[in-house]
Amino acid sequence: AQSVTQLDSQVPVFEEAPVELRCNYSSSVSVYLFWYVQYPNQGLQLLLKYLSGSTLVESINGFEAEFNKSQTSFHLRKPSVHISDTAEYFCAVSPYGGSQGNLIFGKGTKLSVKP
Amino acid sequence: ETGVTQSPTHLIKTRGQQVTLRCSSQSGHNTVSWYQQALGQGPQFIFQYYREEENGRGNFPPRFSGLQFPNYSSELNVNALELDDSALYLCASIQGAHDTEAFFGQGTRLTVV
Repeated sequence: AQSVTQLDSQVPVFEEAPVELRCNYSSSVSVYLFWYVQYPNQGLQLLLKYLSGSTLVESINGFEAEFNKSQTSFHLRKPSVHISDTAEYFCAVSPYGGSQGNLIFGKGTKLSVKP
Repeated sequence: ETGVTQSPTHLIKTRGQQVTLRCSSQSGHNTVSWYQQALGQGPQFIFQYYREEENGRGNFPPRFSGLQFPNYSSELNVNALELDDSALYLCASIQGAHDTEAFFGQGTRLTVV
């Protein structure tokens, strides 16, 4: 079985400051790792994913996440945030090679970017 | 825009009633999953359908059931509604059972009173 822990429920930050949203997971098998973003009153959108290969993955809007197998972590970072990044962010895992429809999500981190 | 649409967007039901939520997946996506997202929580997996057959289920009672149709649409049915069923219900469309990206709809907000 897998589980995901997002260590911060809320992260307030000022515009143009760096941010890190933390995610740790537990699994007895290898997993794929994902970050999804949810804007108010919307569904989830995939931000980035780690499947294999390079442990650093990047999104098109400046976010990056690094897979750390020894620490079972997949923290999300952005060097300079914008007001438009205000949203809730969910870390998720799914078993390697298994069905990708069964995602295990953390409880989410609400990122609030202030001017 | 994910190409996945859900209806209705909001719904209010009375405890004990039955409800049907609908999802229209992307064309060609033969896998659909349903999730329940309670307030302040992450989404929880309810079940998955692949080519019109249920092929995975989370920790939800049998009063949660589903259907998937050949035209890439699907339904989530919940019988004997309870107050704790109040949540955002999300469907996710996947091209194949093992594809690595799920496309989510905007969700249906169900309130049980």
